Amino acid sequence: GAVVSQHPSWVICKSGTSVKIECRSLDFQATTMFWYRQFPKQSLMLMATSNEGSKATYEQGVEKDKFLINHASLTLSTLTVTSAHPEDSSFYICSARDNLGPGNTIYFGEGSWLTVV
Amino acid sequence: KQEVTQIPAALSVPEGENLVLNCSFTDSAIYNLQWFRQDPGKGLTSLLLIQSSQREQTSGRLNASLDKSSGRSTLYIAASQPGDSATYLCAVPLGGSARQLTFGSGTQLTVLP
Repeated sequence: GAVVSQHPSWVICKSGTSVKIECRSLDFQATTMFWYRQFPKQSLMLMATSNEGSKATYEQGVEKDKFLINHASLTLSTLTVTSAHPEDSSFYICSARDNLGPGNTIYFGEGSWLTVV
Repeated sequence: KQEVTQIPAALSVPEGENLVLNCSFTDSAIYNLQWFRQDPGKGLTSLLLIQSSQREQTSGRLNASLDKSSGRSTLYIAASQPGDSATYLCAVPLGGSARQLTFGSGTQLTVLP
């Protein structure tokens, strides 16, 4: 079946540095990918919609200059957390919509744990 | 704005029991509703997807129902097992077929051996 791969699964970075998380659709093309964030014991919250070849659409309250999203190809979207702070520590999950799959099925990555120290 | 609520927030049952998880949504004009399972520290596994025209979907010991008019969905788990322990999330699309999802806060299920 379709697979979405996220990398890295775990990352620890120092406060003030930037960290990049990759989301790849392994066997299908995804014009649209979504990035979610989940704080402990809370539900997933949509951060932004990533569109191949164009600017991402950010949800209200999400700083686009802090969470840089690049969707340069039909199989890869990246989320870069710039100048990370401890409050950015969270679980980040991406999902990708299969353009050609039945009902435009969405597949989720395994998620990436970010800890900022 | 669509809001999704799940009750209860946590549930603990002995092995073998049948159980029901509840999900409610404020805007009944949904495209579909999806139930996910999330194991601790892991991503999401899709369990069942119910289209707006359907009333229920079944997969193994799982049965999900949908009542759009009342804004409710239930996930029924039969003969629960310790391996069913996880957080269960329901989600609905934000609008149309865009497939951005609004998630409920989840129900943390613990099945005791």
